[in-house]
Amino acid sequence: NAGVTQTPKFRVLKTGQSMTLLCAQDMNHEYMYWYRQDPGMGLRLIHYSVGEGTTAKGEVPDGYNVSRLKKQNFLLGLESAAPSQTSVYFCASSQRGSGANTGELFFGEGSRLTVL
Amino acid sequence: QKEVEQDPGPLSVPEGAIVSLNCTYSNSAFQYFMWYRQYSRKGPELLMYTYSSGNKEDGRFTAQVDKSSKYISLFIRDSQPSDSATYLCAMGPNAGKSTFGDGTTLTVKP
Repeated sequence: NAGVTQTPKFRVLKTGQSMTLLCAQDMNHEYMYWYRQDPGMGLRLIHYSVGEGTTAKGEVPDGYNVSRLKKQNFLLGLESAAPSQTSVYFCASSQRGSGANTGELFFGEGSRLTVL
Repeated sequence: QKEVEQDPGPLSVPEGAIVSLNCTYSNSAFQYFMWYRQYSRKGPELLMYTYSSGNKEDGRFTAQVDKSSKYISLFIRDSQPSDSATYLCAMGPNAGKSTFGDGTTLTVKP
C-alpha cells in the first residue's frame, strides 16, 4: 500500500536550473497539495488542486508551477531555481467531501532540494 | 497575525512525564482540529482529529478543544522516548485547505 510517493527524494540544483518534483497517490483522492517546510516556519502551502485538471495558488506560489493532468499525479515545477527555494517539499492528498475524513491529509516522505 | 499560533518549544521532558502541547487560533469558522506527528526526516502523519469542543482520548493521547477560547491542546501521558517528534496542530476548513501551526519539537529523555 504505497499511499503518497514523491520522486526524487533528494536533489541538488544550481541557481537557474529547472526541475520537476513528481507526486503520485494511489488512494483515489480528489485533493492534492504541495507544501514546503523550512526550519521554524512550519508547513507553507505552495499550490493545491481540488481535482483533475485544476490548480490553485497557496500562500507561497511565486517561483513554482504545478500541473494535475491525471487524478493520481501532481507535479511541482521550478523553472529557474533560486537559493531561497532550498527546502523540504511535501506532497499531500486528501479525500473530498464531508464527514470524518474531511481535511485529513496523507503526506509523502518529502523531497529535499538544495539550490546552490 | 497568523491564523494559527503554536507554542514554539522546543520541549524536553523526562520519560514518564505528562506533556502539554498547545495552539490558539483566530478563525471562528474552523470546524475540525487535528494533530499531526512528524518524525525526523519523515512526512507528517495524522495522530488525532476532533470536530467538537471537549476531550477525545486515544490511548496515552488526549486532544482537547475549547472553541469558546479558540484554544486546542494535545496531552501525552506517560511519555516515551518514541514520542520524540515534532507535533503540528492543524485546523480547517479554510477554502478546502487546512491551516497548520509551525510545530513544537518534543524530546523525551530516557
